Amino acid sequence: QLQLQESGPGLVKPSETLSLTCSVSGGSVSSSSYYWGWIRQPPGKGLEWIGSIHYSGSTYFNPSLKSRVTISVDTSKNQLSLKLSSVTAADTAVYYCARSYYLQPKIDYWGQGTLVTVSS
Amino acid sequence: QSALTQPASVSGSPGQSITISCTGTSSDVGGYNYVSWYQQHPGKAPKLMIYDVTSRPSGVSNRFSGSKSGNTASLTISGLQAEDEADYYCSSFTSSSTLVFGGGTKLTVL
Repeated sequence: QLQLQESGPGLVKPSETLSLTCSVSGGSVSSSSYYWGWIRQPPGKGLEWIGSIHYSGSTYFNPSLKSRVTISVDTSKNQLSLKLSSVTAADTAVYYCARSYYLQPKIDYWGQGTLVTVSS
Repeated sequence: QSALTQPASVSGSPGQSITISCTGTSSDVGGYNYVSWYQQHPGKAPKLMIYDVTSRPSGVSNRFSGSKSGNTASLTISGLQAEDEADYYCSSFTSSSTLVFGGGTKLTVL
């Protein structure tokens, strides 16, 4: 059974960079059929797709976040990572890592999510 | 990219059927058969309920069904049960090779 687990600081200061890691077990990030991505959800609000990556290196991002987002995959560690720069309070959210079938909205596995608060 | 448009809330009594709409454009919902629906209970990660407009993942009840007409996709839940009370989100692939979600719909089972 595939499992995804997010980890990283729960508190980030404004203007700093948010960094999260997603550890994948029970499956490989190197599978050619899947993209691995990040989705966030501000408290009490809806879901927002941040971006997705294929193990080959292909990446796609939400245009509204593209200038601040880096997503990478480490096949040796079976992990993916997210970096979001110049954060503000508006970036406070639960961040989920997830697997999708190719770059389709068929997101079949999700991590449990991790709350990141941006505050000084 | 703009979020897909969903009603903020819908409600129904046990045993009834409800339908949640998801309106986009010809650049997303209307242009591709890549629309999915997710169920999210409070404090939990979303769960895939429908993909490719009409397909159900293994293990999802056949009370859940999806359809699409033009730029609007719909999720229908028949035989409403108390456990169906949750937030529901639609999502679509877009012509920019991105994914977009709807704003979410809160389903209340009366």
